[in-house]
Amino acid sequence: QKEVEQNSGPLSVPEGAIASLNCTYSDRVSQSFFWYRQYSGKSPELIMSIYSNGDKEDGRFTAQLNKASQYVSLLIRDSQPSDSATYLCAVNIVRGSSNTGKLIFGQGTTLQVKP
Amino acid sequence: NAGVMQNPRHLVRRRGQEARLRCSPMKGHSHVYWYRQLPEEGLKFMVYLQKENIIDESGMPKERFSAEFPKEGPSILRIQQVVRGDSAAYFCASSPPQGAVDEQFFGPGTRLTVL
Repeated sequence: QKEVEQNSGPLSVPEGAIASLNCTYSDRVSQSFFWYRQYSGKSPELIMSIYSNGDKEDGRFTAQLNKASQYVSLLIRDSQPSDSATYLCAVNIVRGSSNTGKLIFGQGTTLQVKP
Repeated sequence: NAGVMQNPRHLVRRRGQEARLRCSPMKGHSHVYWYRQLPEEGLKFMVYLQKENIIDESGMPKERFSAEFPKEGPSILRIQQVVRGDSAAYFCASSPPQGAVDEQFFGPGTRLTVL
C-alpha cells in the first residue's frame, strides 16, 4: 500500500462547479497535511495546510481532514480554468513525538476545468 | 519578499560529469529540504538539512549524491558521475524554525538533463 494515495484523474469539471479532490494516507500518527498545486513545468505551490479534524476554509478552497478514516480532501468552489493543474496531497512523517520534516507526496490528481 | 531561490534553473551535463545544484532558503527559514521529481513521477524526499547538519538523508541514493548546508552560503546538492537516470527536476523547499507550523515552500527547481 502506498503511503499517500490519490486518484490520478484527470478530473474534469465545468467552470463554476465544485471540484473535489481526495487523498488517503497510511501512517496513522501523521499530524500535518498539505495541498500543493503544480502547474505543468512549474514548482509546487502551497495552497492549504490542515492539522485538526474538520474543515478549514481559505477563499474558494476548503480542506477537510478525518484522521479516524485517514482521509483528507480539498474542495475548490467556483472552479476556474486557471485552476487547471495537478494537485498534490502531502503528509508529514512523524517518528516518536516529533515531525521529521519529511513530506510524503501522493502522485497527484490532474484537474481540468472546462470553460 | 524573496522566496526560495535555486540556481541554475536548467543544467545540462554529460554522463560522468558532476552536477551542483544550489538553494537559498526564504529569509528567516533555517530548514532546507531537497526533493526529486522524475518524469511522470511524484515528488520524492531526498534530504533534510539545517545549518551545518544533515537531519535526515533517508531518501538519498547511497552513492554519488551528497548534500550540505554550510554556515554561510546556500545549500548544495551534489551529484557526482551523473547518469541518464539522474535527469529530473530537483526542488528545494524551506521552512521556518520548527514550531507548530511546518509548512514547506518550494523554489522554482533545477531541471537537470544528462546527455
